[in-house]
Amino acid sequence: NAGVTQTPKFRILKIGQSMTLQCAQDMNHNYMYWYRQDPGMGLKLIYYSVGAGITDKGEVPNGYNVSRSTTEDFPLRLELAAPSQTSVYFCATERGAGNEQFFGPGTRLTVL
Amino acid sequence: AQRVTQPEKLLSVFKGAPVELKCNYSYSGSPELFWYVQYSRQRLQLLLRHISRESIKGFTADLNKGETSFHLKKPFAQEEDSAMYYCALHSGNTGKLIFGQGTTLQVKP
Repeated sequence: NAGVTQTPKFRILKIGQSMTLQCAQDMNHNYMYWYRQDPGMGLKLIYYSVGAGITDKGEVPNGYNVSRSTTEDFPLRLELAAPSQTSVYFCATERGAGNEQFFGPGTRLTVL
Repeated sequence: AQRVTQPEKLLSVFKGAPVELKCNYSYSGSPELFWYVQYSRQRLQLLLRHISRESIKGFTADLNKGETSFHLKKPFAQEEDSAMYYCALHSGNTGKLIFGQGTTLQVKP
């Protein structure tokens, strides 16, 4: 089992470009999350989903969009990249609320 | 407001010394707290949670509701404990975690 996978591992974007960060899981978990990790700031929740077809905003959703058409996939979309979105992005899954979260390896994004 | 505070960005100790990574929280209700760890070039992973009251890799953490703290302790640090440690608070019934800023533990030989 692959667990939680993320692609790409690294990406450099120019200001104003768009991209989609992919997250896939084979753990059959209903709950999925997107975080960004900035130095000295910890992890901040961007968006989350409690099941296919259900998504909701986290703490820092501005500039991002998500969709959850299947249990397995939870892509994160950046429409107009800005330097403030330079960060490391982590996807995580969870069997149910309050349980252990399983994290992907992360995507390091730089916006220049 | 729900908040998790880790006051130390970096904690540097010598091998064999005791370690205490501090975590304080703000939460109106019965908190569920976790410690996650990220070793170099590895994924973030759960270290322990207060409900299970376990000792993992020699680490323990006790929830102190009076002081609103959940400090992580180990009596004798090992070099392989060097990592980034995050304290996290479970918020509500959606599984959302509120993370602290993280503390880098550096264990010197």
